[in-house]
Amino acid sequence: AQRVTQPEKLLSVFKGAPVELKCNYSYSGSPELFWYVQYSRQRLQLLLRHISRESIKGFTADLNKGETSFHLKKPFAQEEDSAMYYCALSQSGATNKLIFGTGTLLAVQP
Amino acid sequence: NAGVTQTPKFRILKIGQSMTLQCTQDMNHNYMYWYRQDPGMGLKLIYYSVGAGITDKGEVPNGYNVSRSTTEDFPLRLELAAPSQTSVYFCASRPTPGQVDTGELFFGEGSRLTVL
Repeated sequence: AQRVTQPEKLLSVFKGAPVELKCNYSYSGSPELFWYVQYSRQRLQLLLRHISRESIKGFTADLNKGETSFHLKKPFAQEEDSAMYYCALSQSGATNKLIFGTGTLLAVQP
Repeated sequence: NAGVTQTPKFRILKIGQSMTLQCTQDMNHNYMYWYRQDPGMGLKLIYYSVGAGITDKGEVPNGYNVSRSTTEDFPLRLELAAPSQTSVYFCASRPTPGQVDTGELFFGEGSRLTVL
C-alpha cells in the first residue's frame, strides 16, 4: 500500500541551525514526491517537488530511491520557516491523487 | 484570479444537522479534491473528481456526499453531522495532464467545522 511517513510531529531548532525534516514513503511504482508547507493562517502551498530539483527558500530535498526517502533540508533555519510541513506522494494514473504524511511542525526559536 | 475559494470559513453544527461546504475554482482545472485535516493525522482524502459529472470516493468518504455538475464547483455535503466530523476541510484542484501540470495541488483556505 502507498504510504508516506513523517516520524517527527514537532521539530524545534534555533535560528541558524541546520534543519532536516524526514519523509519516507512506500510505493510500488515510480514515485512523484512533493513537500507542501502551511504557514500560520495561510493555505497549504507547494514548497518543492522532486522532479524540479530546485531550491526554494533555501530548502532542498533529494529523492533517495534506495532508502525510499525524500528528506527536506535547509542549512540555516530562519524564524520565518516556522510552519507545518507535509510530505506528499502522487499516485500515477488517471486520478493523480496525493497521499499526505501526518506533517511535521517546525518551530524555529530566536 | 481567485484560485480555489471555499465557504464558509467557520461553522458550528449540532449533531444530526446537515450542511454543504462550497468549493469553486476559476482555473478551469478538471481535477478537484476534498481533504480533511485532523491534528496529528495529516490530510485524508474524502472524495475527488476528475471532471464534471464524475466523482469517486477517497480514503474516508463515510458521512459525506459530493457532486460535480460543473467544472468550477465541487460542493461537499454532510447529511447527518457527527462529532467525528469536527475537522478542517480543504478543497483543492489540479490541472489535467495535458494542461500545464506541474503536479501541484492548489488549495482553498479551509473550512473549520465543529459539530457539538
